[in-house]
Amino acid sequence: AQSVTQLDSQVPVFEEAPVELRCNYSSSVSVYLFWYVQYPNQGLQLLLKYLSGSTLVKGINGFEAEFNKSQTSFHLRKPSVHISDTAEYFCAVGGFNKFYFGSGTKLNVKP
Amino acid sequence: DTAVSQTPKYLVTQMGNDKSIKCEQNLGHDTMYWYKQDSKKFLKIMFSYNNKELIINETVPNRFSPKSPDKAHLNLHINSLELGDSAVYFCASSQVMGGTTNSPLHFGNGTRLTVT
Repeated sequence: AQSVTQLDSQVPVFEEAPVELRCNYSSSVSVYLFWYVQYPNQGLQLLLKYLSGSTLVKGINGFEAEFNKSQTSFHLRKPSVHISDTAEYFCAVGGFNKFYFGSGTKLNVKP
Repeated sequence: DTAVSQTPKYLVTQMGNDKSIKCEQNLGHDTMYWYKQDSKKFLKIMFSYNNKELIINETVPNRFSPKSPDKAHLNLHINSLELGDSAVYFCASSQVMGGTTNSPLHFGNGTRLTVT
């Protein structure tokens, strides 16, 4: 069975600072990993995905994530955040016919 | 061009009423879903349909009845609404082949249901 753990429910950070949002997964099948962002009162939008190949994946808005099979992690990073990055971030793993989501991490970027 | 659209965006109703939420996708995907997001932002899958056939029903009360007239539409009807049904309901679609979820979900903007 698949599951996703997002270790931090909230991450406060100052503008232009780097940030890392942590995600650990468990999967008994092929691993397909995703990060989504949810802005207030909106649906979830795909940031990036890992299906196979290079373990460093680049996404939209300057975000990137690294797949680490030995640590079963898929942490999301951005070298310099903006106020507009304030949102809820969800890590997800693809299972058989469905997706499993983490509980979300609220990124709060302060001026 | 909205890829996944759901209506209404807001729904306020009283306990005991019946309501429906509609969803349409123009991405040509074969699989559509309903997710429920509670007040703590936790996303829980409710239903999944593939080519109009029910694939997943995650122990959702019988008061919730999805209907898929074709693979581009997945509607959700809720009978006898209860206070605990208050949440944001998201429709999503994906191209799932043989159960393999290597194609990401595309979400609608959600329907905020408030039951008073």
